[in-house]
Amino acid sequence: EAGVAQSPRYKIIEKRQSVAFWCNPISGHATLYWYQQILGQGPKLLIQFQNNGVVDDSQLPKDRFSAERLKGVDSTLKIQPAKLEDSAVYLCASSSQYGTGEGNTIYFGEGSWLTVV
Amino acid sequence: AQSVAQPEDQVNVAEGNPLTVKCTYSVSGNPYLFWYVQYPNRGLQFLLKYITGDNLVKGSYGFEAEFNKSQTSFHLKKPSALVSDSALYFCAVRDIRGMNRDDKIIFGKGTRLHILP
Repeated sequence: EAGVAQSPRYKIIEKRQSVAFWCNPISGHATLYWYQQILGQGPKLLIQFQNNGVVDDSQLPKDRFSAERLKGVDSTLKIQPAKLEDSAVYLCASSSQYGTGEGNTIYFGEGSWLTVV
Repeated sequence: AQSVAQPEDQVNVAEGNPLTVKCTYSVSGNPYLFWYVQYPNRGLQFLLKYITGDNLVKGSYGFEAEFNKSQTSFHLKKPSALVSDSALYFCAVRDIRGMNRDDKIIFGKGTRLHILP
């Protein structure tokens, strides 16, 4: 079974530039997550989709971050304009169930490593 | 609000010795508990989870974890450590509060495990 696919793996940009990350979840997984992991910290949820609808985006900095999952499958996370503090790993994850499904497990991609200089 | 704590930033263990990585949690409902491992420049890999039933859960790579409701803990253990176990370990909790309610997974800040040859 193919895992969560993410691209690009690494990106270096200057501050105020824009960047976009792509994610393709595990086939059949309805729930898709974007997490931000800053060095030395645990992952922080940015946005959660159920199919093509947003379930939670309370921690997404909406003035500069946006995400979409138009067809309920793959997703794109965009940052514009980037700041130095956006340097982090952006992890995409997916799970097969939403809500109180029996301990549904979240599976992560390899991450997209962003450095803003 | 739910929370998870990993009290140790780093744990050092000699190869062949037993290891324990500590995790405590706080939820308002019933917890689903998870352990993930992150190797350098990689995403998070699922190790094991507790849903219900036996308090001792067995997972990948010989790891196990013990759920202790009275102490609200879910410590990760392995009887004999390998150098290849050196990585960053994350505990996570999902607060299941009822059907069709939004449930979030919260990660701890991580514990770096060093296995000394």
